[in-house]
Amino acid sequence: SAVISQKPSRDICQRGTSLTIQCQVDSQVTMMFWYRQQPGQSLTLIATANQGSEATYESGFVIDKFPISRPNLTFSTLTVSNLSPEDSSIYLCSVAPDPGQGVGYEQYFGPGTRLTVT
Amino acid sequence: GENVEQHPSTLSVQEGDSAVIKCTYSDSASNYFPWYKQELGKRPQLIIDIRSNVGEKKDQRIAVTLNKTAKHFSLHITETQPEDSAVYFCAALFQKVTFGTGTKLQVIP
Repeated sequence: SAVISQKPSRDICQRGTSLTIQCQVDSQVTMMFWYRQQPGQSLTLIATANQGSEATYESGFVIDKFPISRPNLTFSTLTVSNLSPEDSSIYLCSVAPDPGQGVGYEQYFGPGTRLTVT
Repeated sequence: GENVEQHPSTLSVQEGDSAVIKCTYSDSASNYFPWYKQELGKRPQLIIDIRSNVGEKKDQRIAVTLNKTAKHFSLHITETQPEDSAVYFCAALFQKVTFGTGTKLQVIP
């Protein structure tokens, strides 16, 4: 597995502002992902953070709203822009340390960032 | 895309009893099925997984079964303990992971 940290752990932001969340892994990983988990709900994939290229976004998520950086194999940031109360959620980064060539890959999650928009 | 359905949404069992959570998936190309446990306020933790070339996998008190023909897989927890109380998510992976809606398990002492 991998040790994953996120900063900040929580924040309260005013609408119209932005929040940047950092994800740090203790080892180089090929695959990094960003998820959103709304209260009492399941996990929804926002995007796959690709090292050295633009992130791959899922349907319903756009780069202007959720810009992502991945400057190297141990770090990524997610920015949630132009915040509205609907963005209040937990945001989690996730990594797959060893996607391998076979069937499936194990995925591990960071502790999450709880965002409240007022 | 893949669609994963999970049942039940809530489950209460007496300590020591067994708990079973069931999931179905839609994409026959999915080949990896992990299960995650999420305690309140904590991150999801991978507890067991199964690949499409295996029908059953067991790890102490937890086991997972997979029926590829029917496209469903299940989590079995035996001899439940209060610390098993959490939300459990199934997931299916082909090119990306799709999560089920979650099952809140309550183990009553």
